Amino acid sequence: EGVLTQSPGTLSLSPGERATLSCRASQSLSSDYLAWYQQKPGRAPRLLIYGGSSRAANIPDRFSGSGSGTDFTLTIRRVEPEDFAMYYCLQYGDSGTFGQGTKVEIK
Amino acid sequence: EVQLVESGGGLVKPGGSLRLSCVASGFTFSSYTMNWVRQAPGKGLEWVSTISSTSNYIKYGDSVKGRFTVSRDNAKNSLYLQMDSLSAEDTAVYYCARDPWSGDYTGVWYFSYWGQGILVTVSS
Repeated sequence: EGVLTQSPGTLSLSPGERATLSCRASQSLSSDYLAWYQQKPGRAPRLLIYGGSSRAANIPDRFSGSGSGTDFTLTIRRVEPEDFAMYYCLQYGDSGTFGQGTKVEIK
Repeated sequence: EVQLVESGGGLVKPGGSLRLSCVASGFTFSSYTMNWVRQAPGKGLEWVSTISSTSNYIKYGDSVKGRFTVSRDNAKNSLYLQMDSLSAEDTAVYYCARDPWSGDYTGVWYFSYWGQGILVTVSS
């Protein structure tokens, strides 16, 4: 099984700024089997992106996913107050592996 | 509306066993692959197990293989996780999660819908 490494560990931003979160896989992901989740304290994760770049239902278009192979990015075009949370990437296909997470916090 | 409700969590001693349940509603349970994902306190997410709609395909994460058993009862719209030989490292919130599409297929996919989670604490 591959390993997913997310960076940075913590991202401190002001509302309205752009957020760029990275997820790097130790092995190339076939067919871009990479998803992104948002999680707030005490809540279940929420699917944002699947297939590397496809937005899940009802996800605002300020969220976008990009990348391929081993390097993937989640971008929040202009961070809203409700976007401050933990973000996890997930590689899927043969098995499931999550990255360790990136915390997006208010600066 | 898709709903997934976990139950059966609680405090158990090291070496003990526990059985989690997840009752589904709002969709045709028998058509969907289901999963268990866990999260230790203050830690990240960990995929635990996947079971296909007909139970033909079952897979486990390395940390639980040989100790945990996933099963389902489509007539009862229920998913189960039998956890044996528990240790402190198994302390976590356990989530039941549904695949994005219906069908009988193999593989571990992403998780579209999640339950609220149930806490399992392993401690003497």
